Amino acid sequence: DAKTTQPNSMESNEEEPVHLPCNHSTISGTDYIHWYRQLPSQGPEYVIHGLTSNVNNRMASLAIAEDRKSSTLILHRATLRDAAVYYCILKENTGNQFYFGTGTSLTVIP
Amino acid sequence: EPEVTQTPSHQVTQMGQEVILRCVPISNHLYFYWYRQILGQKVEFLVSFYNNEISEKSEIFDDQFSVERPDGSNFTLKIRSTKLEDSAMYFCASRPGTIGYTFGSGTRLTVV
Repeated sequence: DAKTTQPNSMESNEEEPVHLPCNHSTISGTDYIHWYRQLPSQGPEYVIHGLTSNVNNRMASLAIAEDRKSSTLILHRATLRDAAVYYCILKENTGNQFYFGTGTSLTVIP
Repeated sequence: EPEVTQTPSHQVTQMGQEVILRCVPISNHLYFYWYRQILGQKVEFLVSFYNNEISEKSEIFDDQFSVERPDGSNFTLKIRSTKLEDSAMYFCASRPGTIGYTFGSGTRLTVV
């Protein structure tokens, strides 16, 4: 699976938007972009995924660059419960496993 | 919202003993997985299971490990002859035919 690059850590103030970047310059045409997060002492949790178009759901928005070499996870209003490690993962639709990197550790400041 | 349930939440075992970690995936899901996370390290894939057989496994998943879906609802991971380095969080996950995994809260295995 293609590799992703994320900042090790980010901080955000509570109630403010957060933009979590991910670079994936070697993405292939069949790779979906997935975002998961892992709260402390929890299993990973699905956040959002997309292929080419921007996506919105109740948790977040995913903005995908036109060339698909990068994407940004947007949390519209960070809450303390959003403090977690966020993983950007590329995966083919038919593949079986996710390769988790080290992710971005998000700290939300009250 | 449907959940993947894992039991026990914490298991302590002596080195050399066998342990069975249990998972109840979401009922209409077709694909089942085990991942592990050693403290402070990445989440690592162990094995995937579909149609009552292993579909993919990592190099971590050697003869010490086995999986089973004994009764159509449970999905188990057996670790034989546990070693200190098997201490980790073990996560079960399941998904329907479409994309999107649901992970359980994990079992913390401590080998002493």
